[in-house]
Amino acid sequence: AQSVTQLDSQVPVFEEAPVELRCNYSSSVSVYLFWYVQYPNQGLQLLLKYLSGSTLVKGINGFEAEFNKSQTSFHLRKPSVHISDTAEYFCAVNILLGTDKLIFGTGTRLQVFP
Amino acid sequence: DTAVSQTPKYLVTQMGNDKSIKCEQNLGHDTMYWYKQDSKKFLKIMFSYNNKELIINETVPNRFSPKSPDKAHLNLHINSLELGDSAVYFCASSASSTSYNEQFFGPGTRLTVL
Repeated sequence: AQSVTQLDSQVPVFEEAPVELRCNYSSSVSVYLFWYVQYPNQGLQLLLKYLSGSTLVKGINGFEAEFNKSQTSFHLRKPSVHISDTAEYFCAVNILLGTDKLIFGTGTRLQVFP
Repeated sequence: DTAVSQTPKYLVTQMGNDKSIKCEQNLGHDTMYWYKQDSKKFLKIMFSYNNKELIINETVPNRFSPKSPDKAHLNLHINSLELGDSAVYFCASSASSTSYNEQFFGPGTRLTVL
């Protein structure tokens, strides 16, 4: 079965430090990949997405992610985090086979400390 | 202006009751979704409508009945509420049902069944 795994449920980090949130997926066919962010008591909003082309994707708020087909990964990175980046981050995949829907990972809670 | 709005924001009710959640989008999108987010933040699609037509129905109990009176509205009616229905329900919309489109999420409705 196709799935998305976010290896870290929580990532604590100090302000201005770099961060990487990990995401792996399982699929034998092509995929579209997404990262969404959920701030406290809000809905999700799109950070970035990979559809095709360049494997390094830049998103909003200084985030970027790299698609690695051989490792079936799509890790999210930011070189220097702010307090305001504290939120829940969700990786999602659309397996391009069958029903056109997003499958979400279980989320990673990024907690930025001063 | 709010792009995707949901009412109510909070809903507390007794087991066995029937309740509805309303969703409206003013983005001119063709496709709308309902997601359920459980207490562990796991987000799973329930339904998807495209131009008022049901296109995704994810093995949800038939106590849940979505209704789309027009493509700007997608309501969710739940009969005979159970404790396990307690969750945050998110409505979302996208320009079309094609998976590469960004989904825009509402702020969520926190349903608590006592």
